[in-house]
Order: sequence, then structure tokens, then C-alpha cells
Amino acid sequence: DAGVIQSPRHEVTEMGQEVTLRCKPISGHNSLFWYRQTMMRGLELLIYFNNNVPIDDSGMPEDRFSAKMPNASFSTLKIQPSEPRDSAVYFCASSLRTYNEQFFGPGTRLTVL
Amino acid sequence: SQQGEEDPQALSIQEGENATMNCSYKTSINNLQWYRQNSGRGLVHLILIRSNEREKHSGRLRVTLDTSKKSSSLLITASRAADTASYFCATDGGSGNTGKLIFGQGTTLQVKP
Repeated sequence: DAGVIQSPRHEVTEMGQEVTLRCKPISGHNSLFWYRQTMMRGLELLIYFNNNVPIDDSGMPEDRFSAKMPNASFSTLKIQPSEPRDSAVYFCASSLRTYNEQFFGPGTRLTVL
Repeated sequence: SQQGEEDPQALSIQEGENATMNCSYKTSINNLQWYRQNSGRGLVHLILIRSNEREKHSGRLRVTLDTSKKSSSLLITASRAADTASYFCATDGGSGNTGKLIFGQGTTLQVKP
């Protein structure tokens, strides 16, 4: 299995631009999580899906952030418009069941200038 | 505040020595997990301990859980330079939780050759 796949691995954009991060979970996993990691705030859960349905989006910082999971093999996290304070590493993770171990992707390092 | 708080924040030891990291949490849990993150990589699951377990082993790893004190420890025996990484505990917040994991700030371990 290829593991959790994220793209792009690095993204540099200018303030105000739209950013879309992509994730392909491990085949057969039914829970998908989006995290953000910064030095200041550590690892924060943004949103998670169970069977493609958003369950908890309380970690989404504001309306500029949105996430979708149109099918079991694909999810996106969109930031529109982006701001410099959104600069972070964004991780996607999947698990077989909600309380089981999570498998993390390599992350997308986002820099907003 | 974070559910899991690791202690110490940073630890530096010589190869061959044992490394002990501690985690404290605030609410009830179903299980507690430990993850490792190498620099620039995603988190990797190490071990999961359930609330009715007190100790668990996996190779050179030993995890203990004291639910009365709401604390856990991770012991790495006979450390190697390759163990250099950040280590995070994660809790699920108990039966009232919707299924998300809450990560602590992590312990940065440096193993000197």
C-alpha cells in the first residue's frame, strides 16, 4: 500500500490567493483527518470525516477554510483567501476506525507570502 | 489547553541510554496512543494502550498508563541515534468524544552517537 498521499508537498503562494490541498487516504480506511502543525500551536485537528461525512469541524479556524470529501478516496482542504498566518504544515491522516491508530501522510508545507 | 501534555519538552541522551517521556491528560479516555515524528515527516504510530491496560511492550518500547493519575509514560530502552525524533501522546477524550485524537505538544528527543 502506498500509504496516505498528499499533494502538493510544498506550496508557496501570495496572500489572497486560493490554496487547495489534496489527500488520498489508505484504501479501506473510513476515517480521514486534517491537521495543521506550527511551532507556536503544535498539532491541531481541523476537521475529520467518517464515511465521507464531516463529523467535527470545530477546529477549522474560520470561514476561509473549507474541506470536502466527495468519495472514499479523495479529500480537499481549501483556503480562500489565504493569509500569511496560514503558513504551516498541513497533514492528512486516515484510520480504519475512529479510535484506531492514524496513518499520516507526508504533509504539505504551505508558505503564504 | 491541550489534552495531552508531554514532559520534558526536550531530552538529550547518549546512545545506549534509556529515554523516558511522560504525558498527562485531563479527561477520561478510551485509549492513549504514542506517535513519533522525524524531522520533516508525518507522524508514525508507535503503540496504543487501552484504558483497562496498565502496561504494554513493543520491541524496545514500554508504555505505562495510570488512569487514576491521568498519566502515561513512554520508555525507550537502549536508545539509538535513529530514535532522534519528536514523540507525541494522543488521547481520544473518552466516551463523550466524537472520535478525534488530541495531541500534546511533544517531547523532542536527541540521541547522541
